[in-house]
Amino acid sequence: GQNIDQPTEMTATEGAIVQINCTYQTSGFNGLFWYQQHAGEAPTFLSYNVLDGLEEKGRFSSFLSRSKGYSYLLLKELQMKDSASYLCAVFSGGSYIPTFGRGTSLIVHP
Amino acid sequence: KAGVTQTPRYLIKTRGQQVTLSCSPISGHRSVSWYQQTPGQGLQFLFEYFSETQRNKGNFPGRFSGRQFSNSRSEMNVSTLELGDSALYLCASGLAGGSSYEQYFGPGTRLTVT
Repeated sequence: GQNIDQPTEMTATEGAIVQINCTYQTSGFNGLFWYQQHAGEAPTFLSYNVLDGLEEKGRFSSFLSRSKGYSYLLLKELQMKDSASYLCAVFSGGSYIPTFGRGTSLIVHP
Repeated sequence: KAGVTQTPRYLIKTRGQQVTLSCSPISGHRSVSWYQQTPGQGLQFLFEYFSETQRNKGNFPGRFSGRQFSNSRSEMNVSTLELGDSALYLCASGLAGGSSYEQYFGPGTRLTVT
């Protein structure tokens, strides 16, 4: 089966940088996603990594190391609206069925 | 372009009943996936439909079923409801599904089983 680990909760200060880690143990890796989910709302797509390296998209960047089974989501210039849950999900096992981590609740304070 | 819509938004059912949830994808999207989200288990994949065919299926019992119509709208059915089926049910649509990774989620249907 698949195992995806993320920290349960993180706190950071407005304007700072935060890194949310995700480690996974799977077979047949096919890609890793990050989603953002505000309380009471649906998840929104942030990024997708299938090859090693860093993908940058505005204030958000996502990194993947397939050999280490590791990814992180980097959020720069944090804003209060970035307070949300961040979900890491993996396609694995030769299929395109996503397995989600439990999510990291990020709290941004002034 | 209108987003993914789900109906109803809230539903209360009694144990043993059945329920049908509806999802209308973004216009032009042919893939519809369904997910269950609970505080205990997080977000879990139920199944994916593409061009009226179930393409992928998660690890849920046969009480959970779905279908997709020719206009890409999808329905999900849960029979013989159990208390543990209380959850937020999310539907997501995408252009092609499968390895086409970008999905757009609807607001969800909050199902409460009493």
